[in-house]
Amino acid sequence: ETGVTQSPTHLIKTRGQQVTLRCSSQSGHNTVSWYQQALGQGPQFIFQYYREEENGRGNFPPRFSGLQFPNYSSELNVNALELDDSALYLCASSLSSSYNEQFFGPGTRLTVL
Amino acid sequence: DAKTTQPPSMDCAEGRAANLPCNHSTISGNEYVYWYRQIHSQGPQYIIHGLKNNETNEMASLIITEDRKSSTLILPHATLRDTAVYYCIVRVSQTGANNLFFGTGTRLTVIP
Repeated sequence: ETGVTQSPTHLIKTRGQQVTLRCSSQSGHNTVSWYQQALGQGPQFIFQYYREEENGRGNFPPRFSGLQFPNYSSELNVNALELDDSALYLCASSLSSSYNEQFFGPGTRLTVL
Repeated sequence: DAKTTQPPSMDCAEGRAANLPCNHSTISGNEYVYWYRQIHSQGPQYIIHGLKNNETNEMASLIITEDRKSSTLILPHATLRDTAVYYCIVRVSQTGANNLFFGTGTRLTVIP
């Protein structure tokens, strides 16, 4: 059974640029959630996708957007990058939207200069 | 969602039991207690969860007080690989987005 994978591992961007992060869910999981983790903080919920539809959103501006594909893989897009967007971005998949046991990927470390 | 309070850090000797406390005095009757941990440079890992009764699995035991206002995660024989940040989360299981609200957790250091 393949776990949650994320790409790329590390990424460096400059302020104002756009970035796309990718996530492959664990086999059989139809729900994916994205989290942002700033240094020294716990992960903060960005949004969740269930069967290709956004199923909930945290306190993040619209320049954070996402997609979930028919194979349940997912993308996180961030436009107009700001310095404070530098963080570890975590993807987590679960069996369903009502299931709280989430399986996390290793994350993508984004640095905005 | 109910707020949780955890000590910022704890030490434990290798081979001894690690007991990590969590206060959740405003927990509602339908909210579960979840524990996750995050080893340095990795994504969080699910450990255990419970509603009212004590729970045990291959990783840990979860003791929930009778009034459900606090709980303790027990790692029976801590190893160096258990050094991590441990998060206590209370969450209702429901349809709709089941996002997890992480606090700052407890940094457990297992000492040789």
